[in-house]
Amino acid sequence: QVQLQESGPGLVKPSQTLSLTCTVSGGSITTSNYYWSWIRQPAGKGLEWIGRIFSSGSTDYNPSLKSRVTLSVDTSKNQFSLKLSSVTATDTAVYFCARDTGTFDPWGQGTLVTVSS
Amino acid sequence: SYELTQPPSVSVSAGQTASITCSGDRLGDKYVCWYQQKPGESPVVVIHQDTKRPSGIPERFSGSNSGNTATLTISGTQAMDEADYHCQVWDSSTVVFGGGTKLTVL
Repeated sequence: QVQLQESGPGLVKPSQTLSLTCTVSGGSITTSNYYWSWIRQPAGKGLEWIGRIFSSGSTDYNPSLKSRVTLSVDTSKNQFSLKLSSVTATDTAVYFCARDTGTFDPWGQGTLVTVSS
Repeated sequence: SYELTQPPSVSVSAGQTASITCSGDRLGDKYVCWYQQKPGESPVVVIHQDTKRPSGIPERFSGSNSGNTATLTISGTQAMDEADYHCQVWDSSTVVFGGGTKLTVL
């Protein structure tokens, strides 16, 4: 079955760009009509959708983050990526990637990114 | 922007029925998903499209959605059901999550 795994730096300095990659295994990222999403969760808080990307490169973003977010996909590596610019402490969270069919399933295990100098 | 409201916490005695609500304007016009999240784990979908239960999810989980309120019902609640539950919808090509409800099984 499909599995997702996030990777990237766990510590990012304020004002810099957060970069994460999600590697999809057990299936092709180009299969069927799946989107691939990023979702984050600050400690002790709820979930926040960041955005999604289709294998063709088509994207949708959360309007509240749109000006700082860039999603990309590398079909040759079966990966999709997130870049979040101009980060502040409020961007500290566990970041999840997930397959998106309108329902998020499955999810990666999540990776904690801390924004601190 | 669209908002979903969940109670921060719900308590239920083991073996009883737990009901977790999710409220939003004309929510019944949208499809609601519910996710279960245990501490330190990723969310898992337990209900999608209001009432559909994915394979592997116990029959004690059910969902409904009408008017301005969607409800996740857990019948015969077990200790293993203690978790955070999040509702989610799509609105204008954007995903909206509720704030989450912590279910405590007494």
